[in-house]
Amino acid sequence: EVQLVESGGGLVQPGRSLKLSCAASGFTFSNYYMAWVRQAPKKGLEWVATISTNGNRTYSPDSVKGRFTISRDNAKSSLYLQMNSLKSEDTATYYCARLEYTTDSYFDYWGQGVMVTVSS
Amino acid sequence: DVVLTQTPVSLSVTLGDQASICCRSSQSLEYSDGNTYLEWYLQKAGQSPQLLIYEVSNRFSGVPDRFIGSGSGTDFTLKISRVEPEDLGIYYCFQATHDPRTFGGGTKLELK
Repeated sequence: EVQLVESGGGLVQPGRSLKLSCAASGFTFSNYYMAWVRQAPKKGLEWVATISTNGNRTYSPDSVKGRFTISRDNAKSSLYLQMNSLKSEDTATYYCARLEYTTDSYFDYWGQGVMVTVSS
Repeated sequence: DVVLTQTPVSLSVTLGDQASICCRSSQSLEYSDGNTYLEWYLQKAGQSPQLLIYEVSNRFSGVPDRFIGSGSGTDFTLKISRVEPEDLGIYYCFQATHDPRTFGGGTKLELK
């Protein structure tokens, strides 16, 4: 059974940093692109970042580029999101998601999400 | 960036009715490989999103055949025939053809 379990969320002050983790199990982690998607309270979904199987290619929208870094450790079947210079608008539930194997175009499995609150 | 506009924003239905949700893109979603990377997700209350439809019309594993995706280019539709209680929630379209990848604003399906 595919499982994705996020951790590392919490309350953080504006301008500070936070690192999220996602522990994967039930599949060969190193074979899949992985991603982070977020959802601000009572708002819609926003794609945050994608990483290739070996980690040498990453993609993210301008809203987080330069502040957020996605990375992975295939030996530990873990995905990470380093978030720097946090802003109040980064307050959201962050989901770890697996991208489909052949085209990496859709999220076929999602974690339960972890809440990040940016506030003084 | 590609903007996906979903209509309606909310939809009230009676169980057993058909529901139809539209997703219009600001650009064609046909990729250079000939595929169209338009997906549909459902987020039930208090849960993570779940994949329903990929590449316009392909149902994901375990998704009932009452969910039907269609469309091409810039206009797409998700139809749910015979709405059941477990179908209630917020539906999102998503495009993976252009970077950055974007979601529609969502359509809330609720009971009348």
